[in-house]
Amino acid sequence: SAVISQKPSRDICQRGTSLTIQCQVDSQVTMMFWYRQQPGQSLTLIATANQGSEATYESGFVIDKFPISRPNLTFSTLTVSNMSPEDSSIYLCSAGHQDSMNTEAFFGQGTRLTVV
Amino acid sequence: EDQVTQSPEALRLQEGESSSLNCSYTVSGLRGLFWYRQDPGKGPEFLFTLYSAGEEKEKERLKATLTKKESFLHITAPKPEDSATYLCAVHSGGYQKVTFGTGTKLQVIP
Repeated sequence: SAVISQKPSRDICQRGTSLTIQCQVDSQVTMMFWYRQQPGQSLTLIATANQGSEATYESGFVIDKFPISRPNLTFSTLTVSNMSPEDSSIYLCSAGHQDSMNTEAFFGQGTRLTVV
Repeated sequence: EDQVTQSPEALRLQEGESSSLNCSYTVSGLRGLFWYRQDPGKGPEFLFTLYSAGEEKEKERLKATLTKKESFLHITAPKPEDSATYLCAVHSGGYQKVTFGTGTKLQVIP
């Protein structure tokens, strides 16, 4: 298994500002993803964080709003830019291993963001 | 586009009353089906990965099964500490993407 640490665990931010969320994994992983979970809803994939190259974004999410970095195999950041109240959500980092036999994906505890 | 549908949305059980949660899926090339447990205010906790029809996995009071169209999470003699939202997700072939269902919120009453 992989242990994933996210920080901050929660934050309250002013609209128009940006917040960077960090995700640290205790071992090298092949996959890292960022999800959003809005209140009472399931998880929506924002993007796949690719090591050493630009992230791959899902429909409805763009790099200017959610820039992502992944400088190595154990660390990634997600920035929520120019925030509005609609960005209030839980943001989750996921990491895991994939090979020919097994696929596992684990989650951090999440960052609860409130935009006021 | 991959789709995952979970039912029921909510389930209330008496302690010891066994039941099953359903996850129906439509994907192009299933590489794995995940089950997670999520407690309020926390990230999802990984339970199982299933890879092919007929496969079963067990952990304590939970058993997950898989067919070509759906997966079941069987809960045997549940306890109040099993109360949580259970999420199903599929990993489709050719692309490292996981699609989640909306979850089943389970409440086990003492």
